[in-house]
Amino acid sequence: AQSVSQHNHHVILSEAASLELGCNYSYGGTVNLFWYVQYPGQHLQLLLKYFSGDPLVKGIKGFEAEFIKSKFSFNLRKPSVQWSDTAEYFCAVLIRDDKIIFGKGTRLHILP
Amino acid sequence: DVKVTQSSRYLVKRTGEKVFLECVQDMDHENMFWYRQDPGLGLRLIYFSYDVKMKEKGDIPEGYSVSREKKERFSLILESASTNQTSMYLCASSSPSERGAVAEQFFGPGTRLTVL
Repeated sequence: AQSVSQHNHHVILSEAASLELGCNYSYGGTVNLFWYVQYPGQHLQLLLKYFSGDPLVKGIKGFEAEFIKSKFSFNLRKPSVQWSDTAEYFCAVLIRDDKIIFGKGTRLHILP
Repeated sequence: DVKVTQSSRYLVKRTGEKVFLECVQDMDHENMFWYRQDPGLGLRLIYFSYDVKMKEKGDIPEGYSVSREKKERFSLILESASTNQTSMYLCASSSPSERGAVAEQFFGPGTRLTVL
């Protein structure tokens, strides 16, 4: 069955720390992957996406993610987080019929 | 910029009431989706639609119905609201991937529904 698994439900970091949020997917078709972010009180928005080409994808606000096909992973990274990165992050995979399956989310809390 | 709007940010209803949640997108997208978002459960797909008059059940359609009379508008209906339908409801739209788009979804701000 298709699924997306996010390793951490809640992550707390201090400002300037490095971030890596894990994501594994289970889907046998052509892989299109996303990370979405939801800042407090705001709507869900796209952080970055992978659909082909370079497996290292750069997104907004200094985030990047690496698609590793052999590991079925699409981990999100940022070398130095800021307080404003406090948000909930969702990994997602596009499956057939244009549907997207979302992971359960990781709440990231950055301490100032 | 794609804009997806939802009729209400907050809504309080009583058990048994009929509830309408409206969603409008302005980018001529064929695909529209309704999700509910609950803490620890992520986003779960309720219904989706690929075109006017078309609708498909998602993963949790029970207790809900939808209507798509116009391309830009997708309504979610709770026929008889119950307390377990208290949740955040998100609407999204996308272009079909068959046209070469990646079919990324654009989301509205959400409606936080409380059923008493």
